[in-house]
Amino acid sequence: DPKIIQKPKYLVAVTGSEKILICEQYLGHNAMYWYRQSAKKPLEFMFSYSYQKLMDNQTASSRFQPQSSKKNHLDLQITALKPDDSATYFCASSQDPGNQAPLFGEGTRLSVL
Amino acid sequence: GQQVQQSPASLVLQEGENAELQCNFSTSLNSMQWFYQRPGGSLVSLFYNPSGTKHSGRLTSTTVIKERRSSLHISSSQTTDSGTYLCAALTGGNNKLTFGQGTVLSVIP
Repeated sequence: DPKIIQKPKYLVAVTGSEKILICEQYLGHNAMYWYRQSAKKPLEFMFSYSYQKLMDNQTASSRFQPQSSKKNHLDLQITALKPDDSATYFCASSQDPGNQAPLFGEGTRLSVL
Repeated sequence: GQQVQQSPASLVLQEGENAELQCNFSTSLNSMQWFYQRPGGSLVSLFYNPSGTKHSGRLTSTTVIKERRSSLHISSSQTTDSGTYLCAALTGGNNKLTFGQGTVLSVIP
């Protein structure tokens, strides 16, 4: 059974709309992360959270807002969607922030038309 | 910040041949992680290797911190090894991974 659940698996949105990408982990981890993989670009780090607090934000745009309602949840809200936001968004988690290998979810593939 | 260069960008092998994938990083790191990305996009962690050599079946990972490089060796390649291999440098106290561009491996029968 997958231990990091991302929903939905695929998402199609229109330009200007808003979407929320869901991530839940059932590993008892305290740190969670978001990464993005756009076409022809490497996977890139977006956010890290530890104990539901933002630790690092590498996104240039405030249109991307993580939301942590529970310790094992880290959703990603994206507003005013643009075609350039089309990418696969991966959620990851680790026991704590530090020298540990994060585990990745299966990703949500977002297409913005 | 950290930069990761991966080579080669693509590689075609005959089944049974060996492969050597390279990763170079620009600044100090906590560890190097190697992933296999399935054609559907999901990531499989292969190695978490802060230094030295680790083995897993036909796969071997070697990280040499002083030389700022890490390698992934695949022996006796199989068609099922085809896919994209990613290396990533783990840095900082926030567990941030900086990924390379990936190597697309094709193993033909």
